[in-house]
Amino acid sequence: DQQVKQNSPSLSVQEGRISILNCDYTNSMFDYFLWYKKYPAEGPTFLISISSIKDKNEDGRFTVFLNKSAKHLSLHIVPSQPGDSAVYFCAASNPTSGSRLTFGEGTQLTVNP
Amino acid sequence: KAGVTQTPRYLIKTRGQQVTLSCSPISGHRSVSWYQQTPGQGLQFLFEYFSETQRNKGNFPGRFSGRQFSNSRSEMNVSTLELGDSALYLCASSITGGLTGELFFGEGSRLTVL
Repeated sequence: DQQVKQNSPSLSVQEGRISILNCDYTNSMFDYFLWYKKYPAEGPTFLISISSIKDKNEDGRFTVFLNKSAKHLSLHIVPSQPGDSAVYFCAASNPTSGSRLTFGEGTQLTVNP
Repeated sequence: KAGVTQTPRYLIKTRGQQVTLSCSPISGHRSVSWYQQTPGQGLQFLFEYFSETQRNKGNFPGRFSGRQFSNSRSEMNVSTLELGDSALYLCASSITGGLTGELFFGEGSRLTVL
């Protein structure tokens, strides 16, 4: 039972354009959502998060949008840079899960110069 | 501030053997959790330890076990290895493992089972 799904295994965009990565979830108990970025041979690093009481959170070039009714969130990267090329994981937690995050399968983003 | 340190980084075992992986969290972090990453599966939660107590456990068989020491360092053990246990094992630490869920990951231990 995949409670967090990233339906696009890969995404390719041109440098300077917008990258949009999508994530869907099924568990209505999730109340906190995070995006992690992972380079090869490195551990995932935290990128940005959003609480279920918000519908948008911005941090520089990165914006996360949350649509609770659709159980959908997205990560926007504007403008995209070649250094953004990595695997992006969406993750979710609920009030009782502590450090237990439920991750999606990841989306490989490639930003072409 | 040193990050999360995992050892060994790479190891090869054969079926039926056992393996122990080690994780040193960021200083001051009391929560350590373990994840398994396999191709196409994302990260699957194994277990979380907080103050030497297992606080949460994922859906893995009993062959997977762990522990945490008084200095917050953690180990995980996999007994009777199977081919399907080949994966990247990631350790993550956080201050309290609280609701914010932000974790700091190590670089992982890549296990290959032959």
